[in-house]
Amino acid sequence: SQQGEEDPQALSIQEGENATMNCSYKTSINNLQWYRQNSGRGLVHLILIRSNEREKHSGRLRVTLDTSKKSSSLLITASRAADTASYFCATKETGANNLFFGTGTRLTVIP
Amino acid sequence: DAMVIQNPRYQVTQFGKPVTLSCSQTLNHNVMYWYQQKSSQAPKLLFHYYDKDFNNEADTPDNFQSRRPNTSFCFLDIRSPGLGDAAMYLCATSRDRGSEQYFGPGTRLTVT
Repeated sequence: SQQGEEDPQALSIQEGENATMNCSYKTSINNLQWYRQNSGRGLVHLILIRSNEREKHSGRLRVTLDTSKKSSSLLITASRAADTASYFCATKETGANNLFFGTGTRLTVIP
Repeated sequence: DAMVIQNPRYQVTQFGKPVTLSCSQTLNHNVMYWYQQKSSQAPKLLFHYYDKDFNNEADTPDNFQSRRPNTSFCFLDIRSPGLGDAAMYLCATSRDRGSEQYFGPGTRLTVT
């Protein structure tokens, strides 16, 4: 399977704490993307990091990419109840036309 | 606002009765995708169009077909829905293959 693996599958934290989610993949990539999905809704693109980048920030989001370990992490700082959602990584593999989505992490932020 | 629109949001169909889901976009993107997503799973790509070029995933059942009559619209046809086809169907667009994708809100399909 080309699907990425995300870890943990589920994460529950208190509001104000930081949340870290990890994504591992198997092949070489052009880019890696993170998406959020609220329950029963479509996915929303959060951030894209290219294979030649190591870290990227967007507001309270910080993404790192380690191509030698074939892994990425998404850090959400100062979490809010509204951050409760599922988070998916998706990879654009070299030579492939489309994205391959990971299995997702279900984040619950407790007010 | 530029967006991806899916209709209907909820669709109930009977076992074996053909159903069509629709998607439209105002982003003028070249690529349109259809995904199937079952509960607590990752979205599964069914097929995509790059402009008029149709690309079917190898494991997409023949029961699923798609049409893209113009840049803005794309349809998913399920010829004979089975109980296993009950899922959320997500339409997405992107400017190019591999670039960020913009998703519609999805259509939840129930098969009775």
